[in-house]
Amino acid sequence: GESVGLHLPTLSVQEGDNSIINCAYSNSASDYFIWYKQESGKGPQFIIDIRSNMDKRQGQRVTVLLNKTVKHLSLQIAATQPGDSAVYFCAENKRMNTGFQKLVFGTGTRLLVSP
Amino acid sequence: AAGVIQSPRHLIKEKRETATLKCYPIPRHDTVYWYQQGPGQDPQFLISFYEKMQSDKGSIPDRFSAQQFSDYHSELNMSSLELGDSALYFCASSWMTSGSANEQFFGPGTRLTVL
Repeated sequence: GESVGLHLPTLSVQEGDNSIINCAYSNSASDYFIWYKQESGKGPQFIIDIRSNMDKRQGQRVTVLLNKTVKHLSLQIAATQPGDSAVYFCAENKRMNTGFQKLVFGTGTRLLVSP
Repeated sequence: AAGVIQSPRHLIKEKRETATLKCYPIPRHDTVYWYQQGPGQDPQFLISFYEKMQSDKGSIPDRFSAQQFSDYHSELNMSSLELGDSALYFCASSWMTSGSANEQFFGPGTRLTVL
């Protein structure tokens, strides 16, 4: 079956450090991935996405790396801040033949940032 | 900017009761998605609608039904509630462009507690 999963359930870092959250997927045909941030009591919030024709994409303080060979992607957060504390999900934006899509989420990683 | 609105934010029901969750998508969005997130779990896709027609179906129990109305808002109807239905229910909306769906924006969720 399909699965998108994360290696670590909790990641603790010091403020100012760089954070790396990893994610593995099983479907080699997957071509579009999204990272979401979910704060307590809120809905998932889009952070950054990447398509399979790219290996790397950068945003503001965030970088996503995609390694299609080993079916792995990672989210790097530079200079982590207390406000980055949240649960992070990787998700495959799975496109149906109809053109519609659904998100297949992996298990979240809780990022804890200490001052 | 307007966001996805969900109501109610919190709902407490007894077993075997019914519940109705409402979702108001971002203006001009034509597609609505429903996700269920159990405690400590990742969001699971339930069902989606495009232009008032069901576009995809996920792991939605037969006890649940949903629809999208002419004003694009959607309602998730849940009957014969079970303890295991206690979860966060998220609605997301997006818009279709040239037969392809765009980024999903999530609402704040409805926390359903079944006693």
